[in-house]
Amino acid sequence: QSALTQPASVSGSPGQSITIPCTGTNSDVGGYNYVSWYQQHPGKVPKLMIYDVDKRPSGVSDRFSGAKSENTASLTISGLQADDEAYYYCASFTSSSTSVFGTGSRVTVL
Amino acid sequence: QVQLVQSGGEMKKPGASVKVSCKASGYTFSRYGISWVRQAPGQGLEWMGWISGYTGNTNYAQRFQVRVTMTRDRSTNTAYLELRGLRSDDTAVYYCGRDEEMAALDHWGQGTLVTVSS
Repeated sequence: QSALTQPASVSGSPGQSITIPCTGTNSDVGGYNYVSWYQQHPGKVPKLMIYDVDKRPSGVSDRFSGAKSENTASLTISGLQADDEAYYYCASFTSSSTSVFGTGSRVTVL
Repeated sequence: QVQLVQSGGEMKKPGASVKVSCKASGYTFSRYGISWVRQAPGQGLEWMGWISGYTGNTNYAQRFQVRVTMTRDRSTNTAYLELRGLRSDDTAVYYCGRDEEMAALDHWGQGTLVTVSS
């Protein structure tokens, strides 16, 4: 199972919106509504930000939103803040009854 | 509150085995599964497998099928990851996470650093 594809880096200015794509196949992202997104600050434990494509866990800011179109999922961060600077990983359930993570994207707030 | 507490760091020689524990509290252990994820230094997250807290059924990533065993003990609400035939590229932080049906890890352990070196 190959990792889902994400851009290595995405950047934006404070207050702007950015979108991180996560591309898979019909056997993972495109086949199931089980896409999740994680935020990881350097040296810290990952944190769930989005699950089931577009649901936010309790306590996660509504500035974070998820969507999916065919084989590509996306995470949008609106009103970008300095603390949003981190690595973001997508993940998906697969047709092999496993999970797979994305390659990860570093978000930089300019 | 939900907590997952992992065992401490390990230093192993190539070819050895390691067993990492993940003790859960604050929820009904049997209602959720546990996924194991690792992160090599400076690298991304890699999903290793999942175990049902209720049945003990497992699903492993293909690349770990031969070398990994995941178990759980419902009497102590603890999940275990055993990795055999360690190589230097198994050096990583190993995380457990609560994961109902391999859909999302909503709570994570603090991580266990496993270092493989001769």
